[in-house]
Formats: sequence, structure tokens, C-alpha cells
Amino acid sequence: GNSVTQMEGPVTLSEEAFLTINCTYTATGYPSLFWYVQYPGEGLQLLLKATKADDKGSNKGFEATYRKETTSFHLEKGSVQVSDSAVYFCALSVYGGATNKLIFGTGTLLAVQP
Amino acid sequence: KAGVTQTPRYLIKTRGQQVTLSCSPISGHRSVSWYQQTPGQGLQFLFEYFSETQRNKGNFPGRFSGRQFSNSRSEMNVSTLELGDSALYLCASSLVAGSTDTQYFGPGTRLTVL
Repeated sequence: GNSVTQMEGPVTLSEEAFLTINCTYTATGYPSLFWYVQYPGEGLQLLLKATKADDKGSNKGFEATYRKETTSFHLEKGSVQVSDSAVYFCALSVYGGATNKLIFGTGTLLAVQP
Repeated sequence: KAGVTQTPRYLIKTRGQQVTLSCSPISGHRSVSWYQQTPGQGLQFLFEYFSETQRNKGNFPGRFSGRQFSNSRSEMNVSTLELGDSALYLCASSLVAGSTDTQYFGPGTRLTVL
């Protein structure tokens, strides 16, 4: 079946530290991959996406590369800020057919300390 | 352009009651999906609508139902509420129903069942 596995949190970093949140997936076919972020009391916001192998998604200093050979889509940021504190979700959408269904990982809480 | 709106934002119900949640997608978007978010189960797909037709359904009991109107607005209904239905219900919209298409989420409706 299709699934997403994320590293367990919480991840606690000091401001300006380097961030990596690991995400691996299992999917039939070639899914599209997404990172969403959820701030307290809010819905999900798209952070970045990649729709085919070797694509790199980037936004607001965050990057992730679609690695088909390792079935991974790790999220990275070179220098985190306190305002990046949130829950991060890796997700995939199943390839093929007219469907948008997203399958999410369990989420990783990031806490950035000043 | 206005984002996805959901009403109401908060609801408190008692066991056995029923509830209707509403979602207005981004203007021009024709696909609406619903997700349930709980601390224990994470984010789970409920159903997806496109042009008033249900295209996909998640693994939820028949007490959970939905519909989409000709203006793409969507409602979901939960009958005979149980304590375990307490959750954040998120609606997402996209232009079309394709696996590469980005879903944009609303702020959610927080349902508490007492």
C-alpha cells in the first residue's frame, strides 16, 4: 500500500541551526510529494512540492528533493528561525486517475529556541 | 483571492446528535476533499468531490457523508455522533482532481463531542 514515514519529534533546535526532517515513502507508481506546515490553531499550509523524480521543491528557505532511488523527500533548511516553530507534515498523492487523495505522515513538531 | 473558508470554526455537540460542517473552496476550484485530524490517528482522508460527484472515499463508517453543490461548496455530515468523532475537520480545495494538483486547506472546524 501507499504510506509515508516521518521522523519522530519533537525536534528542538537553536535559532540559526540547520534543519533536516526525514521523510520516506512507499507507493505504487510515481506519486507527487508534498510538505505541509501547520501552525498552532491553524489549518495546513503548503510549504513545497515535487511531482517527479529529481525535482527539487523550495520555498521560504526550505528545500526537499524527490529521490526515487531512496524513496525519500527529506526537508532541509540552512538556518531556522523561531517563527519556523510548527508541525511539519510530509504527504504523497497517489499517481493515476482523477483523485487528489493525500496520504500524510504523522507529523514532526519543530521547536526553535532563541 | 480569498482562501478556503470553513464554518463553523468550533462546535460542541453531545453523543447521538448529528452535525453538518460547511466548506467554501477557493473561487474557481472544483475539487473539494475532507480530512479528519486527531492526535491518535493523525490526518486521515474522508472523501473527495469533483463536479458534485464523490470520486473517492476513505475508510470511515457510513455515519460520515458529504455532498458538493453546483457552486463547488461542500458539506459533510456526521450522524449519531460518538466521543471518538471529536477532531479537527479540514477541508481542502484544488483546481482539478489530479495527483499533481496542489490542495489548499482551510482553517478547519474543531468538533468536540461530549
